[in-house]
Formats: sequence, structure tokens, C-alpha cells
Amino acid sequence: AQTVTQSQPEMSVQEAETVTLSCTYDTSESDYYLFWYKQPPSRQMILVIRQEAYKQQNATENRFSVNFQKAAKSFSLKISDSQLGDAAMYFCAYRRRGSGTYKYIFGTGTRLKVLA
Amino acid sequence: DVKVTQSSRYLVKRTGEKVFLECVQDMDHENMFWYRQDPGLGLRLIYFSYDVKMKEKGDIPEGYSVSREKKERFSLILESASTNQTSMYLCASSPSGRTVNEQFFGPGTRLTVL
Repeated sequence: AQTVTQSQPEMSVQEAETVTLSCTYDTSESDYYLFWYKQPPSRQMILVIRQEAYKQQNATENRFSVNFQKAAKSFSLKISDSQLGDAAMYFCAYRRRGSGTYKYIFGTGTRLKVLA
Repeated sequence: DVKVTQSSRYLVKRTGEKVFLECVQDMDHENMFWYRQDPGLGLRLIYFSYDVKMKEKGDIPEGYSVSREKKERFSLILESASTNQTSMYLCASSPSGRTVNEQFFGPGTRLTVL
């Protein structure tokens, strides 16, 4: 069975600094997707960034980038120039690739605090 | 913009009551999901549906049932609510197909069972 592990329950970062959130996963599949979702306090969960496992290039979305290490089954999220609005719970998620409906597997989340 | 709405943001029920949580999406997505979110446990899948009247159990289906009579609506039912079902419930939807299909989430329903 696939699993997703986020070993940092809570992280803090100074405004304008850079922070990296860790995620490791376990799967026997070779083709899958990985996601980082953000859940701000009392607000809707939204997608931050996604990575297709067959792509070697790390995904980037503005200040958010990932370090995808397929062999190590690691998928960390780097937030550059942290802003107060980045404070949220961040969830790492995995989904097998294919045309069927496959479950999304979520980690337990990392709460990010941004210090002014 | 994809919109996923849930019938209530906050709900308080008594032990033994039958509870209905409703979710509606407006993007014609085939797949819909119900999760519960608890501190330290992340999101755990209760049930999902890939088509009208089709459903599959997730990781923690005990004590829950679902209904999907129309494509846009997916209901979660607690047949006899218990205090250990106090939680945040999140609904999500996603399209089918081989493209990268992210999930779109509703705002959540915080259910308290007394």
C-alpha cells in the first residue's frame, strides 16, 4: 500500500526567508503524481504545486518549487521569500497515474508559521 | 472557477441522530470524495464515487454511508452519530482521464457530536 509521510508537524520561518517542507512516500508504482496542498486557517484547501513522476524537471510555481528525488521517494516543497499569507497547513499527497479513479493518499500535514 | 460547496460550515448534533452532509460541485466532475480531517492524522478517505450511483469504500468507512443520485451531488450519511465522529469533514471532486487531475475541495463542515 502507498503511504505518505510528513515528519515535521510544525515549522516556522521568518518573513522573507526560505523554508523547506519535507515529504517522503512509499510506492511500488513507477508512474504517479505528487501534490502539495495548502489549507489556510478556516479557508478552503487549494493546490500549490504538482509533479508528474515521469518528468525529471522539478516543478516551479512562482515562489514555490519542489525537489523531487524519485529514487529516494522524496518530494520536498521550498517556499522562497516567505510571506505572512503563506501561514497554513501544508499537505503532501500522492496519486497513482492512470485513467481509472485512484485514491489520493495524504500525509499528516505540516503547520507553517510565518513570523513577522 | 471550479466550485465545491458543502451544506454547512458548522453542525452540532446529538449522539444517535442521523446526520446528512451534502456536497455539490459545478464542474461536471466524475469523481467525488469524502474525507475526515483530524489533528495529527491528516486527511483520511471515507468513501469516494466515480459515477452516479457508484461508490467505493475508502480507508475508514465504518459508521458512514454515501449517496450519489446526481452527478453534481455527493452526500455523506452518519446513520447514528457518535462522539468519535466529531471531526472536520471535507468533500472534494476531480475529473477523470489521464491528465494530471488535482482535487478541488469544499470549505469543510466542522461536525460536533454531543
